[in-house]
Amino acid sequence: AQKITQTQPGMFVQEKEAVTLDCTYDTSDQSYGLFWYKQPSSGEMIFLIYQGSYDEQNATEGRYSLNFQKARKSANLVISASQLGDSAMYFCAMREFSGGSNYKLTFGKGTLLTVNP
Amino acid sequence: DSGVTQTPKHLITATGQRVTLRCSPRSGDLSVYWYQQSLDQGLQFLIQYYNGEERAKGNILERFSAQQFPDLHSELNLSSLELGDSALYFCASSAGTGEGNQPQHFGDGTRLSIL
Repeated sequence: AQKITQTQPGMFVQEKEAVTLDCTYDTSDQSYGLFWYKQPSSGEMIFLIYQGSYDEQNATEGRYSLNFQKARKSANLVISASQLGDSAMYFCAMREFSGGSNYKLTFGKGTLLTVNP
Repeated sequence: DSGVTQTPKHLITATGQRVTLRCSPRSGDLSVYWYQQSLDQGLQFLIQYYNGEERAKGNILERFSAQQFPDLHSELNLSSLELGDSALYFCASSAGTGEGNQPQHFGDGTRLSIL
C-alpha cells in the first residue's frame, strides 16, 4: 500500500496566486517527519520544508507553509504568491523508521506544478 | 548548491556492462543515501551508509552494491546492466542517521542511460 499519496499529478496556478499541493500519508508510528522537496526540470532535488509529528505549529519557510492535519494524516504544501520559477515537480516524503536507529525517506509520486504568467 | 557532489552527471553504456557512480557528501555529514528515480517506479530508496557502515537497505537489486569509504565518499556499483536500469540516480546526505528534522540534502544526480 502506498504510504505517501499525492493525488494531483498536475496543477496549474496563475502567477502571484497561492496554490495548495496535497499530500496524505499512512503510518502507525507516533513519531515521524514529513518533508517537501522541489525538483525543477534541471533535475536536482531541493529541500523546502519539514514538519515533525509532534510539532504543534504548522511549519513555514518564506513563501512555503505546511498545512498539517494530523488526525486526517495530511500534510499539504501551500505556496503563496506563486512565481514562474516555482514551476517544478513537488514531492512529499515521510521519514520512516527502518530498524535500529535508522530512518529512510519514502516519497510520493509527485505533483507537477505549472505557474502561468 | 546542496553541497553534495555526484559524478558523472551523465553516463551512457550498454547492456551487460558495469558502472560506478560516485558521491561526496556535504562536509560534516556522516550518512549517505542512494535513490533511484525512474518514470514507472518514482523515487526509490536503495541503501544507506553511516560513517562507513551499511545501515539500511531498500529496493536494491543484488546486481547493485555500494560502499562508503573512510573519507565518507560513497560509490554505487551497478553490474550486468539491463535496459530497465536506465534512471536518474541520486545520492543524498545527512548529518546523523536521519532522525529528527534533519533533511536529506540531495546531489544533482547521475543520469544513466543503457543502450
